Amino acid sequence: GQSLEQPSEVTAVEGAIVQINCTYQTSGFYGLSWYQQHDGGAPTFLSYNALDGLEETGRFSSFLSRSDSYGYLLLQELQMKDSASYFCALRDGQNFVFGPGTRLSVLP
Amino acid sequence: SAVISQKPSRDICQRGTSLTIQCQVDSQVTMMFWYRQQPGQSLTLIATANQGSEATYESGFVIDKFPISRPNLTFSTLTVSNMSPEDSSIYLCSVATGGNYEQYFGPGTRLTVT
Repeated sequence: GQSLEQPSEVTAVEGAIVQINCTYQTSGFYGLSWYQQHDGGAPTFLSYNALDGLEETGRFSSFLSRSDSYGYLLLQELQMKDSASYFCALRDGQNFVFGPGTRLSVLP
Repeated sequence: SAVISQKPSRDICQRGTSLTIQCQVDSQVTMMFWYRQQPGQSLTLIATANQGSEATYESGFVIDKFPISRPNLTFSTLTVSNMSPEDSSIYLCSVATGGNYEQYFGPGTRLTVT
């Protein structure tokens, strides 16, 4: 089976940088994705890593180390609107398995 | 990307009844998924619905309880049958695009069973 672990909560101040970690266990690996979900909203796709290294998309970056079964989402220049839940998700063949989610609170 | 709509957005249903949730996509997609999410919790995959074949259900979900239709590449329905209060949840459909690693979600259906 597959399993993912994330910290349940992270708090940071506006303008800061925050890193949300994700460790996983899986028998077959196709990629690690990240999603953002605001309260009452649907998850929105942020980034995807299939290979080791860093992917940058604006203020957000995602990193993957397949040998360590580890990835992280890096959010820079935090804004109040970044307060949301963040999920990492494994692609396992045709299916996707989501982590438990990390609730990010951005303080003024 | 893909734009997805779901109907209804919310409903309150009585125990023992059934509700069918519709999911419409603005483009043709092969892979469509149905998820369940309790408020404040993660997403749990119910089933994968591919056009032209039977839906594939995850462990703990069965076709009799959650029948799914996928008549074409832009539409799917999920029925929650013989509902109980434990079925109260948010139900989300999603599609996979971009090489099948990007998922786009509908706005969800908030179901309350009394």
